[in-house]
Amino acid sequence: EPEVTQTPSHQVTQMGQEVILRCVPISNHLYFYWYRQILGQKVEFLVSFYNNEISEKSEIFDDQFSVERPDGSNFTLKIRSTKLEDSAMYFCASSGSGGADTQYFGPGTRLTVL
Amino acid sequence: AQSVTQPDIHITVSEGASLELRCNYSYGATPYLFWYVQSPGQGLQLLLKYFSGDTLVQGIKGFEAEFKRSQSSFNLRKPSVHWSDAAEYFCAVGAESSASKIIFGSGTRLSIRP
Repeated sequence: EPEVTQTPSHQVTQMGQEVILRCVPISNHLYFYWYRQILGQKVEFLVSFYNNEISEKSEIFDDQFSVERPDGSNFTLKIRSTKLEDSAMYFCASSGSGGADTQYFGPGTRLTVL
Repeated sequence: AQSVTQPDIHITVSEGASLELRCNYSYGATPYLFWYVQSPGQGLQLLLKYFSGDTLVQGIKGFEAEFKRSQSSFNLRKPSVHWSDAAEYFCAVGAESSASKIIFGSGTRLSIRP
């Protein structure tokens, strides 16, 4: 069964450093998403992406965040200057047709900012 | 604004007992409703979803959920739980618009008593 994959599984970085989290969505999917889950809290929407542009973003997704689909398979989340409060599990998701279509989630990348 | 409430933070049931996890939503139109499960250290797996039609939906692993519009609820049920069902369960609501985000509840942690 096709699945969403994410790398790395765990990233440790120093505050102020840039990180790139990588995702490979399901191959025929067209809509891509990032969510995050701070330890012990609910999963929060960050951004959705379709047709090479952001469709929607939350207030969490400020100027330090960016997303990109650099090639036909990868979908990345970049955090330019990490802060302690960026420590969280970051989930990538993809769906075939957007809207109410099922979003399939990857296993997540745990980001630890020291 | 869309929101999801899961009133039970933690529930413990005995193996073999029945289970009901509560979920209430707030949404202006007909919602799209989901239940996801997250095992420790794992990603989010879709258990079931409701888009339209029959208000009783069947999911994987023997779970079912019933959409009750009058009560704005979408409770998850299982007639007989197994030890492997111990996990965090998230109710979520989505919108019809393309590339739509999913709004998650805060989750209910399920423990199984041997």
